[in-house]
Amino acid sequence: NAGVTQTPKFQVLKTGQSMTLQCAQDMNHEYMSWYRQDPGMGLRLIHYSVGAGITDQGEVPNGYNVSRSTTEDFPLRLLSAAPSQTSVYFCASSGPTLAAETQYFGPGTRLLVL
Amino acid sequence: RKEVEQDPGPFNVPEGATVAFNCTYSNSASQSFFWYRQDCRKEPKLLMSVYSSGNEDGRFTAQLNRASQYISLLIRDSKLSDSATYLCVVNNAGNMLTFGGGTRLMVKP
Repeated sequence: NAGVTQTPKFQVLKTGQSMTLQCAQDMNHEYMSWYRQDPGMGLRLIHYSVGAGITDQGEVPNGYNVSRSTTEDFPLRLLSAAPSQTSVYFCASSGPTLAAETQYFGPGTRLLVL
Repeated sequence: RKEVEQDPGPFNVPEGATVAFNCTYSNSASQSFFWYRQDCRKEPKLLMSVYSSGNEDGRFTAQLNRASQYISLLIRDSKLSDSATYLCVVNNAGNMLTFGGGTRLMVKP
């Protein structure tokens, strides 16, 4: 199994550009989440989904959109990139609940916004 | 005040040493607790859950003190391969996990 995959691995954007970070999982997990990780801040939840067609906001949702049209995919869209969105982005999926025991993280996308 | 606080370190210890990290959390209603390990430029991975009675997994021991709202991780006989950042994670029920900022450990020969 591939587990959780994320593309791209690295991305450089200019302020105002838009882009989509891709996340896919092949474990048939219902729950998927997006986090950002900044130095000294830990991981912060951006958006999450408890199943296809259902999404909700996390702690830091502003500037990001998500959709969940299939169980496998959970893309994160940056509508108009800002330097404050420079970060490492992790996608995670989990099985029956969002409990930390079942969280599997993707390898991350490093984003630099100039 | 952050919901989950950790000393960022780094903790520099020699091989074979015993090292302990603490983590404090602010929400007294928090329900479950975990330690994750994160290697440099990699994704976090679950190290162990933390149970009220304390639990051990090989060289690693986790403790929970609900009255004082802190969690600890003890690593005995440190190995070079233990060098990483250790993240304290709290589940406050519902669908959100809260991560601490991490404690960096460097084990030296």
